[in-house]
Amino acid sequence: DAGVIQSPRHEVTEMGQEVTLRCKPISGHDYLFWYRQTMMRGLELLIYFNNNVPIDDSGMPEDRFSAKMPNASFSTLKIQPSEPRDSAVYFCASMSGQGSYEQYFGPGTRLTVT
Amino acid sequence: GENVEQHPSTLSVQEGDSAVIKCTYSDSASNYFPWYKQELGKGPQLIIDIRSNVGEKKDQRIAVTLNKTAKHFSLHITETQPEDSAVYFCAATPRANNLFFGTGTRLTVIP
Repeated sequence: DAGVIQSPRHEVTEMGQEVTLRCKPISGHDYLFWYRQTMMRGLELLIYFNNNVPIDDSGMPEDRFSAKMPNASFSTLKIQPSEPRDSAVYFCASMSGQGSYEQYFGPGTRLTVT
Repeated sequence: GENVEQHPSTLSVQEGDSAVIKCTYSDSASNYFPWYKQELGKGPQLIIDIRSNVGEKKDQRIAVTLNKTAKHFSLHITETQPEDSAVYFCAATPRANNLFFGTGTRLTVIP
């Protein structure tokens, strides 16, 4: 398996623009997580899905952030409009949920909003 | 929610020496404690984990200990090697699908 795949790896955009981050989880995994990593706040859980259904989005900073999982093999995290304080590395992770608690992280998307 | 504190934030050791990283947690309901290693430009990767019904777990040069009474757990790396240099994160959770991470420890192994 190729592991968790994220795209793009780097994104530079201007304030006010819409940004869409993409994730393909490991096949057969029931859980998908979106995290944000910054120097100031460390690793924060934004939202997670179980069987494509959002379960907990309490970590989503504000209404500018939205996430979808239209099927078991694809998820998006959208920021609209983007702001400089959204600059961070965004990770997607997946977990099988079938007796294993290990979360497998993707390589991350480094987002820079100018 | 759970609050996880991690110390030290940076740690330098000579190759071959041992390294110890400590974490404390606040929620007595937490029962799963993983450790992740993050190399530059990569996502975190699980290196070892422990559940609350176990006090210690070993995997080659890596071990984790858990003291539920004191609500702390530690990562021990013996015979450190340069490839152990990375950022290490502890985490705790009462539910495996919602990890609360520590702030990370940057370990540098000096050849």
